Amino acid sequence: SQQGEEDPQALSIQEGENATMNCSYKTSINNLQWYRQNSGRGLVHLILIRSNEREKHSGRLRVTLDTSKKSSSLLITASRAADTASYFCATNAGGTSYGKLTFGQGTILTVHP
Amino acid sequence: DGGITQSPKYLFRKEGQNVTLSCEQNLNHDAMYWYRQDPGQGLRLIYYSQIVNDFQKGDIAEGYSVSREKKESFPLTVTSAQKNPTAFYLCASSIYKAAEETQYFGPGTRLLVL
Repeated sequence: SQQGEEDPQALSIQEGENATMNCSYKTSINNLQWYRQNSGRGLVHLILIRSNEREKHSGRLRVTLDTSKKSSSLLITASRAADTASYFCATNAGGTSYGKLTFGQGTILTVHP
Repeated sequence: DGGITQSPKYLFRKEGQNVTLSCEQNLNHDAMYWYRQDPGQGLRLIYYSQIVNDFQKGDIAEGYSVSREKKESFPLTVTSAQKNPTAFYLCASSIYKAAEETQYFGPGTRLLVL
């Protein structure tokens, strides 16, 4: 079953603009991770936020987590054409599930030069 | 040069045929995973292994089989019982005992049915 639901399904912006993607999940989590996938390639890990964290930054990426609303957002600032990719959130429930991740359906981001 | 390799990049299956997808890692990771990705969708977990000689079914294990005889290798067999095998298959690995486990992905194998 898909734990994460992502919104929007597709996002088209101009270079230099900010891109915001949202992820909602259903059950309690240990951490939430964001991954990027270029067309026809494997996924690349971007950032991890723990359940006791509210915000995290990495370069042009900013991730927030609201466990009361069971939601997270990924903000990419000053986007570039090279940011064009699909972005997936993935939740880790912790406990006996250890490293198991449950992925959302992804947001397709297109950045026009 | 550490990482995960998958082969082949493209694989064609005939009706009634079993095919095996290769996944090898030299990251010394304990855990390995197989996912299936259909067009426009997220990843669904097929099988995972947290240690050599042990593996568990994921969400969509029917029609698939795996083995984990070596730490570095986690091959996936798509059997003839899998009636809709056309998809993009991704292998991943992670450090099993880490408190926060990120997964490292291979480049994927695209399976097509003739």
